[in-house]
Amino acid sequence: DAKTTQPPSMDCAEGRAANLPCNHSTISGNEYVYWYRQIHSQGPQYIIHGLKNNETNEMASLIITEDRKSSTLILPHATLRDTAVYYCIVRSGSNDYKLSFGAGTTVTVRA
Amino acid sequence: DTGVSQDPRHKITKRGQNVTFRCDPISEHNRLYWYRQTLGQGPEFLTYFQNEAQLEKSRLLSDRFSAERPKGSFSTLEIQRTEQGDSAMYLCASSPRAERTYNEQFFGPGTRLTVL
Repeated sequence: DAKTTQPPSMDCAEGRAANLPCNHSTISGNEYVYWYRQIHSQGPQYIIHGLKNNETNEMASLIITEDRKSSTLILPHATLRDTAVYYCIVRSGSNDYKLSFGAGTTVTVRA
Repeated sequence: DTGVSQDPRHKITKRGQNVTFRCDPISEHNRLYWYRQTLGQGPEFLTYFQNEAQLEKSRLLSDRFSAERPKGSFSTLEIQRTEQGDSAMYLCASSPRAERTYNEQFFGPGTRLTVL
């Protein structure tokens, strides 16, 4: 799986959008970008994934650059409950079962 | 609650003792995964089951570790002769059979092991 690079930490004001960057310059054509988050003392939670098109669900939006070498996770209206470690993961399709987590980005939402 | 459950949530043991953790996946999920997470790091893959078959074991899983999923439902992870370096959070996840080009993994709350 391609390696990802994320900033170690970032702060965000409550109610504002949080934009979390991820670099994956060695991504290959059949690899998807996944985002998970882990709130303190809980297991990781799936957020969203995409291949090349931008994706949106009830939790977040995922913007993938045209060359697919980077992506941005957008939390549109951050709340205090969004404080967590966010992991950007690249993996291939259905036959690739394991998730390779890096250190992630620690996001702190401040009131 | 129909999520992934793990038992116990916390375990404190002395070095050299054996410990066993249990994971109950979401009903009808045929894939089950074990991960280990140490402080400040992301989870690391340990092993993976599809139904009762253990299909991959990470090199992190030394001979002291064994995992089973005898009936393709719950799974156990046993650590023999525990060492202080085994202290970590042990996470279990499950996912349904992939019918599309992705599979979302659902994680349990983890078992925190402390080896004294």
